[in-house]
Amino acid sequence: EVQLLESGGGVVQAGGSLRLSCAVSGFTFINYAVSWVRQAPGKGLEWVSAIGRGGVIPHYADIAKGRFTIFGDNSKTTLFLQMNSLRAEDTAIYYCAKEGDHPYFDYWGQGILVTVSS
Amino acid sequence: EMVLTQSPGTLSLSPGERATLSCRASQSVNNNFLGWYQQKPGQAPRLIIYAASTRATGIPDRFSGSGSGTDFTLTINRLEPEDFAVYYCQQYGSAPHAFGGGAKVEVK
Repeated sequence: EVQLLESGGGVVQAGGSLRLSCAVSGFTFINYAVSWVRQAPGKGLEWVSAIGRGGVIPHYADIAKGRFTIFGDNSKTTLFLQMNSLRAEDTAIYYCAKEGDHPYFDYWGQGILVTVSS
Repeated sequence: EMVLTQSPGTLSLSPGERATLSCRASQSVNNNFLGWYQQKPGQAPRLIIYAASTRATGIPDRFSGSGSGTDFTLTINRLEPEDFAVYYCQQYGSAPHAFGGGAKVEVK
């Protein structure tokens, strides 16, 4: 059974850092890409970053470039999102999501809340 | 960068009625790589349709997707109480894989 479980969220001051984790089971990101997608309070979905199949090549949305780093562990079952220089507008629920055979998201975690206080 | 515009923003319908949601892309979506997601309050999104018209695993056949190029439609026949939710389209034919702004189907 495919599962994704996020952790590491919380409250951080503007300018601070936070590292999110996404533990996956039922697959590894050797075979499927995994993304981070966020949702600000009351707003829509926004793709943030992905790690491609193989768990090596990262991809970033413009809002994440230069501030966020995505990487995985050696077992290819835990994905991390290191977020630096956080801003109030980064406040959101962050979901990790497994990609299918193409970059649609067929499985999602339950999400983790990140609050950046100014 | 591709922009997806969903309409209407809110659709007020009664159970048993048909919902028709539109997603218009600012450029042609490569390979019709267009997905639809359902999100209920406090829950993660759920994949409904991918490749414009293919139902995801476990999705009932009252959900159907159609369209190509820049214009796509999600149709929900005979709305069930559990179908009232927000629906998002997403294109994944070219980076970045943008989402539409969402469309809410609410009880009339």
